[in-house]
Amino acid sequence: DGGITQSPKYLFRKEGQNVTLSCEQNLNHDAMYWYRQDPGQGLRLIYYSQIVNDFQKGDIAEGYSVSREKKESFPLTVTSAQKNPTAFYLCASMQQGPGELFFGEGSRLTVL
Amino acid sequence: GQQLNQSPQSMFIQEGEDVSMNCTSSSIFNTWLWYKQEPGEGPVLLIALYKAGELTSNGRLTAQFGITRKDSFLNISASIPSDVGIYFCAGGTQGAQKLVFGQGTRLTINP
Repeated sequence: DGGITQSPKYLFRKEGQNVTLSCEQNLNHDAMYWYRQDPGQGLRLIYYSQIVNDFQKGDIAEGYSVSREKKESFPLTVTSAQKNPTAFYLCASMQQGPGELFFGEGSRLTVL
Repeated sequence: GQQLNQSPQSMFIQEGEDVSMNCTSSSIFNTWLWYKQEPGEGPVLLIALYKAGELTSNGRLTAQFGITRKDSFLNISASIPSDVGIYFCAGGTQGAQKLVFGQGTRLTINP
């Protein structure tokens, strides 16, 4: 089935550790996105990428890093510089803008 | 970043009632999208609108692209318990590679 796969679903991390969230899509979409969602809140854009080897900062990029080495993959690293990393992270992809954006099932990160 | 004004923020209704929610903006959009998110899951696309004035249905859901291109509404008829969740609107503009999202409408249904 075509779709977006995020892993892991749940992740626990100690303060000061970096953690990488995986996002893979087999929809052959050009653009991929990372959003952060806090309890009871909307979606905030962290980073996005329109093509391989290129990406742009979103509204809340500080403390995060990404790479886009392959069209189907867009991993997000939450670094120790992110002051409040506990959140629900959503990966999404789109064929071309402004079109239909499809989301993965999300990864919940908890910092202990 | 820019956000859409989505209202109401929350709704508490009885099963069987109709639901109406809307999104407004001071800017023009070329695309309006409506999503539903259930707890612990990613948002799922319900309806996509691409033309001003367009009215599109998906089962009990109906959405319209406002004629001014600055608003959109979503109606749910005869609500059922599985309609519970958070509904998000999103707008896209020509040439832009990212969508603008509303803050969401949380729907709660009393059986």
